Amino acid sequence: GQQVMQIPQYQHVQEGEDFTTYCNSSTTLSNIQWYKQRPGGHPVFLIQLVKSGEVKKQKRLTFQFGEAKKNSSLHITATQTTDVGTYFCAGPITSGTYKYIFGTGTRLKVLA
Amino acid sequence: DADVTQTPRNRITKTGKRIMLECSQTKGHDRMYWYRQDPGLGLRLIYYSFDVKDINKGEISDGYSVSRQAQAKFSLSLESAIPNQTALYFCATSDAGSGTGELFFGEGSRLTVL
Repeated sequence: GQQVMQIPQYQHVQEGEDFTTYCNSSTTLSNIQWYKQRPGGHPVFLIQLVKSGEVKKQKRLTFQFGEAKKNSSLHITATQTTDVGTYFCAGPITSGTYKYIFGTGTRLKVLA
Repeated sequence: DADVTQTPRNRITKTGKRIMLECSQTKGHDRMYWYRQDPGLGLRLIYYSFDVKDINKGEISDGYSVSRQAQAKFSLSLESAIPNQTALYFCATSDAGSGTGELFFGEGSRLTVL
């Protein structure tokens, strides 16, 4: 079945360093979503990418959707302690549906 | 008050017991989902419902059942709980009319099966 993998599983960075997490799907995705889960919290939607090669920015966060629509990345510039948490990508099980399966997540720790 | 409310928030039970996790929402969304979260495995879809008369299996439905009692309520049942069902369970909703299919999650229900 369809799989969505993320690397790395864990990342520790010093505050001010950059961070990137990568998401790879075994199948082509019609769109991809990104969520952030703070420690002890629930996932919160960050963004959705739809177009091949799309790049979107939210302040220090840059999201990319691959040309083949099978991979995506989230890059955080100059991390802050508020960036701590687990970042998940999610893609629809079947193209054009709203049945999302999630990647394995990347857990980010930021050391002050 | 939370838009997506899950009860109970924490539950410890024994193997073989029947457990029900409840989810209610005030967002007016048609779509509701149950996910399970385990360390290192991300969130896995158990069941989802796109309206009151629609129930669908997700990735890992074995050992679980659901009931969509109303547009606002979606319950997850474990008929006979087993230890490997120990996990954090999330209910989520989404709006059929939104352009993104953004999921809104509840606070989670932590279940421990001894």
